[in-house]
Amino acid sequence: EVQLVESGGGLVQPGRSLRLSCTASGFTFDTYAMSWVRQAPGKGLEWISSIRSRAYSGATDYAASVRGRFTISRDDSKRMAYLQMNSLRTEDTAVYFCTRSRSNWPPTGEPFAPWGQGTLVTVSS
Amino acid sequence: DIQMTQYPSTLSASVGDTVTITCRASQAIATSLAWYQQKPGKAPKLLIYKASTLENGVPSRFSGSGSGTEFTLTISSLQPDDFATYSCQQHHILWTFGQGTKVEIK
Repeated sequence: EVQLVESGGGLVQPGRSLRLSCTASGFTFDTYAMSWVRQAPGKGLEWISSIRSRAYSGATDYAASVRGRFTISRDDSKRMAYLQMNSLRTEDTAVYFCTRSRSNWPPTGEPFAPWGQGTLVTVSS
Repeated sequence: DIQMTQYPSTLSASVGDTVTITCRASQAIATSLAWYQQKPGKAPKLLIYKASTLENGVPSRFSGSGSGTEFTLTISSLQPDDFATYSCQQHHILWTFGQGTKVEIK
């Protein structure tokens, strides 16, 4: 069974940093692109970052709202994806979901499935 | 950036009804459109991708259509388990979600 489990969320003050982790199991992790999507309380889904597999140079993409502040990475040996979040703002408060490209081909441009259960990040003083 | 406009934002319906949700892209995205179902406190679940392809295990009462900039999700004979929020997503250039449509019990 494919499974994604996020961790690392919590309460953090504005301007501080936090790193989210996503542990994957049940599939050949190193062949899939991985992504992070967030959902602010009562709001819709917002894609924030994706990383391709090593076969495609591990290329990364970011939404404008987080570019320059967030960094996505992966460790294929540990089957993990990460989201380093710096200079956090109150508007970054959201549930953060880790998700996988539905297929490992093509290397990008695929919808997301499955999803982890999410981890809540609250940015507040 | 491609913007996705989804409507209505809320839809009231009864069990057995047929409902339709519309999603419009700010530019042509071919058929690179997915639909997700999300229940409160849960992760989204992929229902349809490439505008009309049903994900494995999704009931056939769900169907999608459209291409270019206009897309629809239709749920035929609404079941109690279908009351949820539905979101569209373009996967043509990066990814963008619509605002979501809450299907509630009338």
